[in-house]
Amino acid sequence: KAGVTQTPRYLIKTRGQQVTLSCSPISGHRSVSWYQQTPGQGLQFLFEYFSETQRNKGNFPGRFSGRQFSNSRSEMNVSTLELGDSALYLCASSLVADMNTEAFFGQGTRLTVV
Amino acid sequence: GQQVMQIPQYQHVQEGEDFTTYCNSSTTLSNIQWYKQRPGGHPVFLIQLVKSGEVKKQKRLTFQFGEAKKNSSLHITATQTTDVGTYFCAGRDGAQKLVFGQGTRLTINP
Repeated sequence: KAGVTQTPRYLIKTRGQQVTLSCSPISGHRSVSWYQQTPGQGLQFLFEYFSETQRNKGNFPGRFSGRQFSNSRSEMNVSTLELGDSALYLCASSLVADMNTEAFFGQGTRLTVV
Repeated sequence: GQQVMQIPQYQHVQEGEDFTTYCNSSTTLSNIQWYKQRPGGHPVFLIQLVKSGEVKKQKRLTFQFGEAKKNSSLHITATQTTDVGTYFCAGRDGAQKLVFGQGTRLTINP
């Protein structure tokens, strides 16, 4: 079956703009999590959605938001972009939001803010 | 909140040498997961450990979960160039979100 699909793969935006990233989880998976990856900072948790509800939120400013649709697809939005938002944004899907389930990652969206 | 620390941050070895990365949590973990991210790729699940003191092997990779369920290690015997990448440990905190360590980036001299 198809893996986790993230679009777009690459994006260049200007400071102050906003951006929307999309994630389509594996068919049947209901949990979607978002991570920001920067060199030296590892994978920083942004938020997690399960059945259209935000279950968890990381320590990011309110400029970062997300949502999940009834088909489990998820979007994350970053408003008023800053240079420091340049990163690889990874989406991970899980069958359920359970402690024993593994996360399947997409290829990521590489965002560059200039 | 829960913190997961991983050491070392970088490790460079000669092909054929062994490699170990260590993971420590500030709180007791219900389980620990390990992921590998190849250069330019995305994290891929390797294994999950659940029981205290658990040891699992995958060919040349040996994973251990500490008795107190607060630390874990990944050991690779006789590294090969295909082992290059960043290895992450991850544990779920009380709110069930998956928290990742900083990762250990392994490079290998052939």
